[in-house]
Amino acid sequence: AQSVTQLDSQVPVFEEAPVELRCNYSSSVSVYLFWYVQYPNQGLQLLLKYLSGSTLVKGINGFEAEFNKSQTSFHLRKPSVHISDTAEYFCAVSEGRDDKIIFGKGTRLHILP
Amino acid sequence: DAGVTQSPTHLIKTRGQQVTLRCSPKSGHDTVSWYQQALGQGPQFIFQYYEEEERQRGNFPDRFSGHQFPNYSSELNVNALLLGDSALYLCASSFWGKPQHFGDGTRLSIL
Repeated sequence: AQSVTQLDSQVPVFEEAPVELRCNYSSSVSVYLFWYVQYPNQGLQLLLKYLSGSTLVKGINGFEAEFNKSQTSFHLRKPSVHISDTAEYFCAVSEGRDDKIIFGKGTRLHILP
Repeated sequence: DAGVTQSPTHLIKTRGQQVTLRCSPKSGHDTVSWYQQALGQGPQFIFQYYEEEERQRGNFPDRFSGHQFPNYSSELNVNALLLGDSALYLCASSFWGKPQHFGDGTRLSIL
């Protein structure tokens, strides 16, 4: 069975500082990996995805993530955060492109002025 | 190009009642999935519809049922509502291996 663990429930970071949100997954088969962002009172927006190929994936809003198969990790990074990045971030896994998505519990990114 | 639209945005019901939530997929999408997001949690997969049939189902009781129409829109029905059914219900649509696009959800409150 697939599962996703987001290691931090909340991450405070100063504006313009770098940030890393950690994610580990568990699956018995090859997976597709995603990061979604949820702004207050909104649905989920896809930040980036790993389907195959290069392990370094670039997404929207300056975010990137690196797939590490040996460590079963897919950590999200941004070199310099902005106040507008305040949101909940969800790491997710799927066994197929149209398959159900299994989400982690989320990491709240709190930007400090 | 309209994205995934859900209605209503908010809904208040009492225990034991029944509710129907609606979803219109993004243009060109033919697959609809439903998720339940409890407060402070990640979304949980309820079921997925493709070609008007339930293709996959998560670990939810039979009180949760759905339907997909020929125009690909979908409904989620929940019977005999419980307090624990209070959540944000998210609809997502996709097409042939493309990542799922999510709507803004329906917030259901059970009194």
